[in-house]
Amino acid sequence: SQQGEEDPQALSIQEGENATMNCSYKTSINNLQWYRQNSGRGLVHLILIRSNEREKHSGRLRVTLDTSKKSSSLLITASRAADTASYFCATDASGGYNKLIFGAGTRLAVHP
Amino acid sequence: GAGVSQSPSNKVTEKGKDVELRCDPISGHTALYWYRQSLGQGLEFLIYFQGNSAPDKSGLPSDRFSAERTGGSVSTLTIQRTQQEDSAVYLCASRQELPRETQYFGPGTRLLVL
Repeated sequence: SQQGEEDPQALSIQEGENATMNCSYKTSINNLQWYRQNSGRGLVHLILIRSNEREKHSGRLRVTLDTSKKSSSLLITASRAADTASYFCATDASGGYNKLIFGAGTRLAVHP
Repeated sequence: GAGVSQSPSNKVTEKGKDVELRCDPISGHTALYWYRQSLGQGLEFLIYFQGNSAPDKSGLPSDRFSAERTGGSVSTLTIQRTQQEDSAVYLCASRQELPRETQYFGPGTRLLVL
């Protein structure tokens, strides 16, 4: 069964706009990670936020984590057409063994 | 260096046949994971190998699914008597012993069962 639920399921924006994706989960976690997938194949790790962190930045990415609400958000600023992909949140509740539970993902389309 | 590789890239088989999917992890990575991704869905955990420890098979959907990891490196996922619902992309990932948090994914094998 899936731990994370992303919303929206699909997002369509213009280049230069910001894209925000949300993820909710059900159980206590060690960390939450965001991955990107192009064309339905291999995933690329984007960013990890630990359960004791509230916000993290990496380039144009900003991730927040609210453990009281069991939710996270991924913000991509100044989006580019190359950001078009599916984005997945994944939670690790396995005591540090990185056994990840993935959500269904958000399909982002950035139009030039 | 080389990333995680998987073979074949695509596999079409007939219902009832057995298939073997192969994963070559990054050299030196001690942990290896198999996931399944059905069309338009997220990844579903199947099995996890860590060094010489017994694998975590808790995600395997039925006894038709099995996996092995020989010599702590290459892994093979075997699906016996394939069914149409087995059609999916099968993804393999590996990670280092430390840090443990980042998994590196292969490109996947797209399996179609007719």
